[in-house]
Amino acid sequence: DTGVSQDPRHKITKRGQNVTFRCDPISEHNRLYWYRQTLGQGPEFLTYFQNEAQLEKSRLLSDRFSAERPKGSFSTLEIQRTEQGDSAMYLCASHVGGKLFFGSGTQLSVL
Amino acid sequence: QKEVEQDPGPLSVPEGAIVSLNCTYSNSAFQYFMWYRQYSRKGPELLMYTYSSGNKEDGRFTAQVDKSSKYISLFIRDSQPSDSATYLCAMSDPNAGKSTFGDGTTLTVKP
Repeated sequence: DTGVSQDPRHKITKRGQNVTFRCDPISEHNRLYWYRQTLGQGPEFLTYFQNEAQLEKSRLLSDRFSAERPKGSFSTLEIQRTEQGDSAMYLCASHVGGKLFFGSGTQLSVL
Repeated sequence: QKEVEQDPGPLSVPEGAIVSLNCTYSNSAFQYFMWYRQYSRKGPELLMYTYSSGNKEDGRFTAQVDKSSKYISLFIRDSQPSDSATYLCAMSDPNAGKSTFGDGTTLTVKP
């Protein structure tokens, strides 16, 4: 499969726990994006990378969120001290020529 | 007020109908305009991609952009039950890294 891969597909955690998601983008795409989507809303931008450099973070992104993309390959998104409001679908996308190619997302439920 | 506004619907049409989906926006810097289709519990899938004003056709789908009115549309001809999904408009400024999404219109095509 040459598309964007995200792992895990589903994550259930208790409030206060840390969680980490992984994204493997399309190999020849240099840009990688993270978006968050809640029910009935469109995807909301979180952050993006050009190769290994994190170029922009949303002002809405709390300090509990951190993302990395070591060596410009896969990326991880970590949420520390999860809150119920963090429950959402976390989407990763490869980018080329202005077009986003999304993975299937990680559905996070914080109990 | 959001930068991108989209009628949430839901929209229900009989099979074979012509569907019109619309978005308005406020940021005059947007130059790239996209439509994504999202099935339940899946990531968005790029349907149409246009630059600046004008029309673009791809099979049963036609995208229109009117920059003077800050209004974009997606038309679906001969709609099929398999077109039932949420349709998201998205736009980007070539000088910015991110795409901004509408909140989606949920379409149901009834056999």
